Amino acid sequence: KNQVEQSPQSLIILEGKNCTLQCNYTVSPFSNLRWYKQDTGRGPVSLTIMTFSENTKSNGRYTATLDADTKQSSLHITASQLSDSASYICVVRPNTGFQKLVFGTGTRLLVSP
Amino acid sequence: NAGVTQTPKFQVLKTGQSMTLQCAQDMNHEYMSWYRQDPGMGLRLIHYSVGAGITDQGEVPNGYNVSRSTTEDFPLRLLSAAPSQTSVYFCASRGQGLSNYGYTFGSGTRLTVV
Repeated sequence: KNQVEQSPQSLIILEGKNCTLQCNYTVSPFSNLRWYKQDTGRGPVSLTIMTFSENTKSNGRYTATLDADTKQSSLHITASQLSDSASYICVVRPNTGFQKLVFGTGTRLLVSP
Repeated sequence: NAGVTQTPKFQVLKTGQSMTLQCAQDMNHEYMSWYRQDPGMGLRLIHYSVGAGITDQGEVPNGYNVSRSTTEDFPLRLLSAAPSQTSVYFCASRGQGLSNYGYTFGSGTRLTVV
């Protein structure tokens, strides 16, 4: 069964610190992997998208990495800001089955002043 | 350019009532989808559409209907609301290709069925 597991479930860090969120998936074969940021009460917003042949993708202070051999991805946030407080969702698109994205349950990040 | 617009933002229904959640996008996207988000679970696909006049079922379609008469609109109808349909509903759209960085989501409709 295609699954996406994220860790940790929740995380509290001090403003200005870095953090790394993890995503393990069993989806195979896969087309691409996406990271989304979801603020409370809002819809998810895309941060990065990587195909199976890409190892890293950056978007400002957000850097996603992908290891297709171990089926792991990480999202690294540098110099965290209070506005980074949100849920971060890892999403994998299988290479079969149109639109059938597989969503992780997310990591809830709280950046404390 | 408003993106994906969902209405209403909040709704309370009684068991057995019906209603329609509205979704509209102004980006000329071909693909549109409806998801529900429940605590402790990833987003789950209800129905999707690859273009006007074409719809298909997702992972959890029971109790919901959709139609796609225009490229812009993709309403979701609850036929007879049940407490199990209490959830946050998201509409999403995307164009073709990867250049758009994935799906654009609406801000959601929080539905409570009592």
